[in-house]
Amino acid sequence: DAGVTQSPTHLIKTRGQQVTLRCSPKSGHDTVSWYQQALGQGPQFIFQYYEEEERQRGNFPDRFSGHQFPNYSSELNVNALLLGDSALYLCASSDSGGLNEQYFGPGTRLTVT
Amino acid sequence: GENVEQHPSTLSVQEGDSAVIKCTYSDSASNYFPWYKQELGKRPQLIIDIRSNVGEKKDQRIAVTLNKTAKHFSLHITETQPEDSAVYFCAAEGGYQKVTFGIGTKLQVIP
Repeated sequence: DAGVTQSPTHLIKTRGQQVTLRCSPKSGHDTVSWYQQALGQGPQFIFQYYEEEERQRGNFPDRFSGHQFPNYSSELNVNALLLGDSALYLCASSDSGGLNEQYFGPGTRLTVT
Repeated sequence: GENVEQHPSTLSVQEGDSAVIKCTYSDSASNYFPWYKQELGKRPQLIIDIRSNVGEKKDQRIAVTLNKTAKHFSLHITETQPEDSAVYFCAAEGGYQKVTFGIGTKLQVIP
């Protein structure tokens, strides 16, 4: 039973470019949440996807967008990258019909130069 | 929105001693409080959680307490070991599994 997986592991982009990060949830989970974790900080909630729709959103600009596919996997897209977008991007999956536990993937380290 | 405050930001203890990390939250509607351990370069891992209908929960050397009236919750680690060294995050969840994290506590256990 695979846990939460994310790709790519690392990514280097230039300011102004666009990036897409991918997440596959743990088997049996249908909800995916995305977090941004800057160095030395706690994860900050970006948004959550359930039934292929954005259900909750944190305080992030609309340069951050996402998508969920019928197989529950998800993508995070960031447009017009800024230096401040450099961070570890974590996805977490959970079961909407179960308890609240969220399980995190290993993250994608994004560096914007 | 929810605001979670966590302290201390760093904590050093001798091996075998206890460690306590405290958090407060602002949204009285929050009803689920997980704790995560994050080792350097790794993903956050859920180590224990507590729900609003419970005041205390224990799992071997780890315990959490919750005071809903005061909006406080704490993590207690007893008989600390070097492998407990990591960053610990508290979090509070309101509706729809939206989780707000604290800033983290870097715990160092000195052998």
